[in-house]
Amino acid sequence: KAGVTQTPRYLIKTRGQQVTLSCSPISGHRSVSWYQQTPGQGLQFLFEYFSETQRNKGNFPGRFSGRQFSNSRSEMNVSTLELGDSALYLCASSLAGGRVKDTQYFGPGTRLTVL
Amino acid sequence: GESVGLHLPTLSVQEGDNSIINCAYSNSASDYFIWYKQESGKGPQFIIDIRSNMDKRQGQRVTVLLNKTVKHLSLQIAATQPGDSAVYFCAERGSQGNLIFGKGTKLSVKP
Repeated sequence: KAGVTQTPRYLIKTRGQQVTLSCSPISGHRSVSWYQQTPGQGLQFLFEYFSETQRNKGNFPGRFSGRQFSNSRSEMNVSTLELGDSALYLCASSLAGGRVKDTQYFGPGTRLTVL
Repeated sequence: GESVGLHLPTLSVQEGDNSIINCAYSNSASDYFIWYKQESGKGPQFIIDIRSNMDKRQGQRVTVLLNKTVKHLSLQIAATQPGDSAVYFCAERGSQGNLIFGKGTKLSVKP
């Protein structure tokens, strides 16, 4: 089975721009979660989608949003980029997610640099 | 100003020795724990998990121990190899299903 894929792998944007990142989960997985990884804050949860609905959300401003499509693929969007948004954005998929104790598998991440 | 990075604990071991990586978790109600390995330039890779109704679980060359009394997890790697060099994260499953990660430990294996 193919793993979680994320595109693009690298992005460079300037302050004020917006960006869209894409994630394709493992085939058959219906839950997709997004995490931000920075040297200062470590790995932090952004949100989780299941069956095209946002099921859970972390403590990030409204500039961070996402969506999930009927094929379980997910996108996240960051508007009005700030320098502090520079990070590795990781997507993880699992069969059901939520309170079910199934394993989350991570993609390679998208490295976003904001100049 | 310049951001301050997390100071990652570092563990340096000799190839062939056993490694023990420790982690403290925060929520006594957490019932599911996972260890991930992250190599440079890659996403976290699942190693092993354990549920709170267990004290110990073994995988291939890895063992996870859970001490709920002191809210402590450890990952033991037997016969550590150079390919084990990475940052290791423990994570607990939050009440809504999201993963709450620890700060990570950088494991360096000396040949």
